[in-house]
Amino acid sequence: EAQVTQNPRYLITVTGKKLTVTCSQNMNHEYMSWYRQDPGLGLRQIYYSMNVEVTDKGDVPEGYKVSRKEKRNFPLILESPSPNQTSLYFCASSSGGGHQPQHFGDGTRLSIL
Amino acid sequence: AQSVSQHNHHVILSEAASLELGCNYSYGGTVNLFWYVQYPGQHLQLLLKYFSGDPLVKGIKGFEAEFIKSKFSFNLRKPSVQWSDTAEYFCAVTTGTSGTYKYIFGTGTRLKVLA
Repeated sequence: EAQVTQNPRYLITVTGKKLTVTCSQNMNHEYMSWYRQDPGLGLRQIYYSMNVEVTDKGDVPEGYKVSRKEKRNFPLILESPSPNQTSLYFCASSSGGGHQPQHFGDGTRLSIL
Repeated sequence: AQSVSQHNHHVILSEAASLELGCNYSYGGTVNLFWYVQYPGQHLQLLLKYFSGDPLVKGIKGFEAEFIKSKFSFNLRKPSVQWSDTAEYFCAVTTGTSGTYKYIFGTGTRLKVLA
């Protein structure tokens, strides 16, 4: 089954404790991206990757890191999480081209205390 | 900077009413346009997309959208809504079909359909 898998689905942690949210897709997609969803603000792109070893900042990259060492994986790293990063996070992937729709994971709800 | 505006933040309709959700974007060049739906507790799913050809696009579940280039709009419509259409709807845009591109989403419209 074609899917984008995120882990964990839920996480409660404390300020400053490094965490990683994993994202994996099995569709051989070139493009992957991370979003955060906040009430009233919709989805905002954090980082995106056009292909392996190619990443770029989205609209809200501060406080986040990503890497794309393999085509299927695109982890999101919070080196020193802060409460303003409490949010619902989605990973998405698509095949090449801006006209292709994105396939979304089920989301990760992060709470930073 | 490119942006997407969804002016209706909350819409409440009765079953069988007609629906139109507005979406406007700011970019003067070639665009690709999408509508996604997010049912409660779920991830976003594609409703329909436009990137070329007939500006009236039909999607799943009876939804359609019309691209009006002169108005920079891509409004979503459905002639008769059902209770199961209760969800949040997002308009999104990318520019270009190759090279570097970003997805830009609107802030969403929360639709509640009353049975």
